[in-house]
Amino acid sequence: AQTVTQSQPEMSVQEAETVTLSCTYDTSESDYYLFWYKQPPSRQMILVIRQEAYKQQNATENRFSVNFQKAAKSFSLKISDSQLGDAAMYFCAYNRRGQFYFGTGTSLTVIP
Amino acid sequence: DAGVIQSPRHEVTEMGQEVTLRCKPISGHNSLFWYRQTMMRGLELLIYFNNNVPIDDSGMPEDRFSAKMPNASFSTLKIQPSEPRDSAVYFCASSGNLGTIYEQYFGPGTRLTVT
Repeated sequence: AQTVTQSQPEMSVQEAETVTLSCTYDTSESDYYLFWYKQPPSRQMILVIRQEAYKQQNATENRFSVNFQKAAKSFSLKISDSQLGDAAMYFCAYNRRGQFYFGTGTSLTVIP
Repeated sequence: DAGVIQSPRHEVTEMGQEVTLRCKPISGHNSLFWYRQTMMRGLELLIYFNNNVPIDDSGMPEDRFSAKMPNASFSTLKIQPSEPRDSAVYFCASSGNLGTIYEQYFGPGTRLTVT
C-alpha cells in the first residue's frame, strides 16, 4: 500500500529565511504524481506545487520548489524568502491513477 | 469557474439527528472525493467516485455514513444517526479522470459539530 510520511509535525522559520519541509513515500510504482498542498487557518486546501515522477527536473513555482529524489522516494518542499502568509499546515500527497494519499501534515510558523 | 462548492459551511446538530452534506464538483471533473479532517486523525479519505460510481468506500467509518452521486454535478454525504465523534471538517474534492495527472481541487469544507 502507498503511504506518505511527513516526519516534522511542526516547523518554524524566520521571515525572509528559507525552510524545507520533508516528505517520504512508499510505492512500488514508477509512474505517479506528487503534490504539496497548503492549508491556512481558513481551512481551504490550496495546491502549492506538483511533480510528475517521470520528470527528472524539480518543479518550481515562484518561491516554492521541490527536491524530488525518486530513488530515495523523497519529495521535500523548499520555501524561499518566507512570508507571514506562508504560515499554514502543509500536506504532501501522492497520486496514482486517481487514488490520492496524504501525509499527516507539517504546521509551519513564520516568525516576524 | 466557481471551484468546488460545499454546503452548508457550518452545521450544528444534536446527537441522533440526520446530517446531509452537499457538494458540487468543478464542471468537467469526473472524480469526486469525500474527506474528513480531525486533529486526532488528520485527513482521512472516506469515499471516492469516478463517473458517478463509487470506486472505493473503504474509508467510510461505519454504516451510519452513506454517500451518493446521482449525477456528475452533485454528491451528498449523509450521517444517520449522527454522534459527537462525527464532529469534524468534511471536505469534498474533485479532479479529472483516473489515471491522469490532474490534481485535486478542494471545496471550502463543512465544519460539523454534533452535540
